[in-house]
Amino acid sequence: EIVLTQSPATLSLSPGERATLSCRASQSVSSSYLAWYQQKPGQAPRLLIFVASSRATGVPDRFRGSGSGTDFTLTISRLEPEDFAVYYCQQYGKSPVFGPGTRIDLK
Amino acid sequence: QVQMVQSGAEVKKPGAVVKVSCKTSGYTFIEYGVTWVRQVPGQGLEWMGWISAENGDTKYAQSLQGRLTLTTDSSSNTAYMELRGLKSEDTAVYYCGRGGWVALEFWGQGTLVTVSS
Repeated sequence: EIVLTQSPATLSLSPGERATLSCRASQSVSSSYLAWYQQKPGQAPRLLIFVASSRATGVPDRFRGSGSGTDFTLTISRLEPEDFAVYYCQQYGKSPVFGPGTRIDLK
Repeated sequence: QVQMVQSGAEVKKPGAVVKVSCKTSGYTFIEYGVTWVRQVPGQGLEWMGWISAENGDTKYAQSLQGRLTLTTDSSSNTAYMELRGLKSEDTAVYYCGRGGWVALEFWGQGTLVTVSS
């Protein structure tokens, strides 16, 4: 079973700053079946990125996914106030699994 | 538009059974599977399992094998998650999502299941 590790656990940033979130897999993720989700308190997760780099419908272009194999990155180019949330990566291949999450906090 | 509406919060005693429903609309039910994900309060997301709405094929997380049953009813476009032998550590918000081996674009609103004596 693939294990996903996300780093850092918490990122303290200010609006307008760039956020770089990492997701590392214990084995290669087949066909780049890697997604990123945003979750705010009391809400269901929201899909941001699928197949590592494709933005879901309605997701602003400040969100960018990249990577392949075992190393993936979510970059938020300039943080907006609504971007402070928890972000999860997920591999949805053979045995789907989520990473533990990265929280982006207001500095 | 695609909607997935889940049943309401439940309070159960240890050892009991809970069944959560997920009523879907806005798409052809049998063309997509349904995935179930849970989240213990304050913790991360756990993939529980998936069911094909077309033929009922299922795949369960190893940690829940033997306690979890996923079913669907195509006459009402509804998916169900049944968890038996409830323990306090099953206290969580349970989500349904559209799809199987795809990223989950559409989610239910979540159902809080509390297990307490």
